Amino acid sequence: GENVEQHPSTLSVQEGDSAVIKCTYSDSASNYFPWYKQELGKRPQLIIDIRSNVGEKKDQRIAVTLNKTAKHFSLHITETQPEDSAVYFCAAGSWGKFQFGAGTQVVVTP
Amino acid sequence: GAVVSQHPSWVICKSGTSVKIECRSLDFQATTMFWYRQFPKQSLMLMATSNEGSKATYEQGVEKDKFLINHASLTLSTLTVTSAHPEDSSFYICSARDVGGILKEAFFGQGTRLTVV
Repeated sequence: GENVEQHPSTLSVQEGDSAVIKCTYSDSASNYFPWYKQELGKRPQLIIDIRSNVGEKKDQRIAVTLNKTAKHFSLHITETQPEDSAVYFCAAGSWGKFQFGAGTQVVVTP
Repeated sequence: GAVVSQHPSWVICKSGTSVKIECRSLDFQATTMFWYRQFPKQSLMLMATSNEGSKATYEQGVEKDKFLINHASLTLSTLTVTSAHPEDSSFYICSARDVGGILKEAFFGQGTRLTVV
């Protein structure tokens, strides 16, 4: 089955700086890679996703890159703001069935 | 966007009792729903895949007799935690995808925080 590894586990950045979270996956059949943001006590919220036929996708301050050959994908947040502080999870899978990474606690300090 | 409603949002129960959690897709039909569990400060772990009209598929290590899943309609799946114990205390969350698989994402319910005392 799929195995997803996520790094780092914690990330502290100064407001305005960039944050990068990296994930690797094992199952070459996975074709969909969503990223979720989870604030304390709340449900995960999809923030961006990428499909296996695309190498990069951007949405305002958030971007995701995918290297299918190497089986890794990354989340990039630019110009970080305090409201970006949360736990971020990557996931890999297909048809709604995912394996999640362990999560990255992002703390943005003013 | 698509809405998945999960009920209750939180529940406290006594050890040994059973608790039922509902997951409803409000504006689309979901032949498949997924149940995840999230322990504090940990990631989401897939527990089982719920298929409408058939038996659920459980992940390795998940007791099917303890976590009963029923997916009786295209909009409702239920998870019953039987004979709950304190170690079952967790955040349970469901997700659903639509019939045709057109929607490329799974939509999550708001989650249920279960505390067993």
